Formats: sequence, C-alpha cells, structure tokens
Amino acid sequence: DAGITQSPRYKITETGRQVTLMCHQTWSHSYMFWYRQDLGHGLRLIYYSAAADITDKGEVPDGYVVSRSKTENFPLTLESATRSQTSVYFCASSDLTGSSYNEQFFGPGTRLTVL
Amino acid sequence: LAKTTQPISMDSYEGQEVNITCSHNNIATNDYITWYQQFPSQGPRFIIQGYKTKVTNEVASLFIPADRKSSTLSLPRVSLSDTAVYYCLVEGNNRLAFGKGNQVVVIP
Repeated sequence: DAGITQSPRYKITETGRQVTLMCHQTWSHSYMFWYRQDLGHGLRLIYYSAAADITDKGEVPDGYVVSRSKTENFPLTLESATRSQTSVYFCASSDLTGSSYNEQFFGPGTRLTVL
Repeated sequence: LAKTTQPISMDSYEGQEVNITCSHNNIATNDYITWYQQFPSQGPRFIIQGYKTKVTNEVASLFIPADRKSSTLSLPRVSLSDTAVYYCLVEGNNRLAFGKGNQVVVIP
C-alpha cells in the first residue's frame, strides 16, 4: 500500500533491551523524521535524515540510533531501553522545495512501553 | 532553534470562528510557519504553511504579522469534528521546533 507505515504499532519491552522501530514510506521522499510525543511536551524531534546515508540529530537524540541505507526506510533503535523512553513514536516524511519544507506526512505511530 | 509557545487549551461553540495563536519570538529569516492538526491515536496532519502576511486554503487561514514573531491560525465555522490538538511548527535550514500544542474542544 502507498503511504507511510510504522511497525510495530504497539511494543512492550524491558529495561536494558534493544528495540528497533521500523518506518517505511513509498513516496521516495528525501526527508524522513522521528519524533516522540509525551504528555506536556508535544512533539520532539529525535533524528532526521535528508537522504540515504545522511542523518542528523534533533532535539532529543540521546539513547537513540538511526540509519538510512535505503531512501524508503528509516529505522529507529533504542540500544538499551530505559523507562524514560516510554512514549509514542511518530515517523514522518517530506520533500524540500526551495528553502521551505513541504508538508510532513506522518505515520500512525508506535506506542512503546518500557517496563 | 526557534521556540514556539501556544496556549494549552481552548473551547469554542460549533459554528464559531476559532483563532489559535502561536508565539515564536526568535524566528529566523529563512524559517517558515506550519500548522498541523492531530486527532487522538493518529499522527499529525498538515493544515497550512506560510512565511508572511496571510495565506488561505480550503480549510483555514494563517495570519502572520510583519515582525513574524507570532502567527494566528483561523478556522472558520468550526464543527464537532474540528476537536483536536493544533500544533504550530517553525522550520527552516534543517531546524524544526514544534510547539506543545493547543487542545481545541468544540462544544455543540
């Protein structure tokens, strides 16, 4: 199906475990983003990528690792999960026109609980 | 990184015009202002984007004063289905800053 998908939609894990959240888009958008959403904090950017093999830190990158070997995929890995990483994670994609971003298309989100 | 500030929540009656403000005092010259709508258990959805003055599309208007330190999203004649969280985003030159969102509740 066309669009942007995230998997899994729900995940429960334990402190110290490695977890990878997947994001896939079918539009060949150059930009992809990972956000976390917590009550009282709104959306905070974790990492973003301007193209395959190009990634950069956002506002809250500590404890997270990303990679982008293919344009359509942008996995987010929590190398050693902590309770503070319990959150809803959203992936998004967009293209860049001139000096402004085009609209970001968001996935449905992954609800992650770290026990 | 431009910081954005929004009111936490507001209520409005069905059929009224709703104006939602966002402050972004340290917006940079190349930054654009974008607004998103989010329903529960869904990802945000693009509403409108602007750089200065006024932008209008089929669902909303965006007003940006000359100093660009604030912006106002205007939703005409809201319905119950417009109950959502509205986020403003300042973005440009690989910098992004979402506000914490404004919960708008439309009352019958």
